[in-house]
Amino acid sequence: DGGITQSPKYLFRKEGQNVTLSCEQNLNHDAMYWYRQDPGQGLRLIYYSQIVNDFQKGDIAEGYSVSREKKESFPLTVTSAQKNPTAFYLCASSIGPDRLRNIYGYTFGSGTRLTVV
Amino acid sequence: AQSVTQLDSHVSVSEGTPVLLRCNYSSSYSPSLFWYVQHPNKGLQLLLKYTSAATLVKGINGFEAEFKKSETSFHLTKPSAHMSDAAEYFCVVLSGGSYIPTFGRGTSLIVHP
Repeated sequence: DGGITQSPKYLFRKEGQNVTLSCEQNLNHDAMYWYRQDPGQGLRLIYYSQIVNDFQKGDIAEGYSVSREKKESFPLTVTSAQKNPTAFYLCASSIGPDRLRNIYGYTFGSGTRLTVV
Repeated sequence: AQSVTQLDSHVSVSEGTPVLLRCNYSSSYSPSLFWYVQHPNKGLQLLLKYTSAATLVKGINGFEAEFKKSETSFHLTKPSAHMSDAAEYFCVVLSGGSYIPTFGRGTSLIVHP
């Protein structure tokens, strides 16, 4: 079955540490996205990538970094510069950057819950 | 420019009664509109979508939504709530000038026995 796999499901980070969240898809989708979810705030876009080796900042990119070396993979690193990283992180993908293809919707992973300890 | 407002942060219903989750949108161009559902600690699942075809859209699990351009609304309805419908629901807009969607803040649906 095609889909998006996020790992780990739960992640604990100590102060000052960098941590990397994994996102892998086997849907052959061109575009991938990272969102942060906090209670009562909906989903906020961190980074997105339309094609391999290219990505753009979203609304809340500070303290995060990404890479897109392979079409299937879009890992997110939460750096020590992110002062309030405790949140639920969701990865998504869509067929491509073309709006007409994006109207088919977005496929989401099951999320990673990150907690600072 | 695009934006979306979910008018209720929480909606509480009894099992077997109708569900109404309200969503208003703003868009510079003809929008595509989506409703997603999220169960606790899970990802989002697409319920239904409007993409300029029929204004009454049917989705999974008995949910429907009607696109009303004059009211800039896309409310989600279901005739009879089930306990398994208890979840967070997100309204999403994608306007002609963008390929990045805007999510509403979510409505938590509570279903009482």
